Amino acid sequence: DAGITQSPRHKVTETGTPVTLRCHQTENHRYMYWYRQDPGHGLRLIHYSYGVKDTDKGEVSDGYSVSRSKTEDFLLTLESATSSQTSVYFCAIKSEGTGELFFGEGSRLTVL
Amino acid sequence: KNQVEQSPQSLIILEGKNCTLQCNYTVSPFSNLRWYKQDTGRGPVSLTIMTFSENTKSNGRYTATLDADTKQSSLHITASQLSDSASYICVVSAYYDMRFGAGTRLTVKP
Repeated sequence: DAGITQSPRHKVTETGTPVTLRCHQTENHRYMYWYRQDPGHGLRLIHYSYGVKDTDKGEVSDGYSVSRSKTEDFLLTLESATSSQTSVYFCAIKSEGTGELFFGEGSRLTVL
Repeated sequence: KNQVEQSPQSLIILEGKNCTLQCNYTVSPFSNLRWYKQDTGRGPVSLTIMTFSENTKSNGRYTATLDADTKQSSLHITASQLSDSASYICVVSAYYDMRFGAGTRLTVKP
C-alpha cells in the first residue's frame, strides 16, 4: 500500500453545513491532490498542493478550499455544502520519481 | 482543449474471453499515458505507463498499446478472470496537465 488514508470514508450531511475531508500520507511526497469522481465523468481535479502551504486550484475548485499545514496532511473543506457536491472524493499523492499517482480509498459524501 | 475519450462505456464478457478497451486523446504536448484499474469502492491503481517512444507494454495478462501518431491507446486483457471486473481508466499527461478518461466498466461473468 502507498501509505495514504482518507477520513471520513462516508459522510451524510445537510445543505449549508461545513464539511472537511482529511487526507493523510506517510510517504513524504510533495505533491498531493484532491479529485472528485462522478458518474459519466473522469476524475476531476479540485485542488492540489506542491508543498506545505503551497496550493493551487484545479478545474472544479468553486465551493472548495484546501489547506496543507504539514507535509503529511491535506484537508479539503466545503464551507457550505450543496447537493451538487454529492460525490466520491479521492485524494492522491504523486511519486516524483515515477510520476505515478497513488490514490486513497475515497470518501463518499452525500449532501441532502 | 485537452481531452481523453474512452470506449466502450461498459462491456460484459464471459470468463476466459479476451477484450480490448480503447482510449483516444487530444492532450498536448504528450508526456505519458497510464492505464488504471479501479475496483468498485476502491481507489484507482496503476496498471501500465507508456511514454512517447513505447508502443507496447505488458503487465501479466494486460497489454497496453500506444500509437502516438493517431493519439490512440488500447488495453487488451487476455483470458479474462472474474477479478478483472472493474473500471479501467486511461490517464494522459501533458507537461503540466493530467487528464482522466471517464473509464470503461468491465464485467466478467462466469
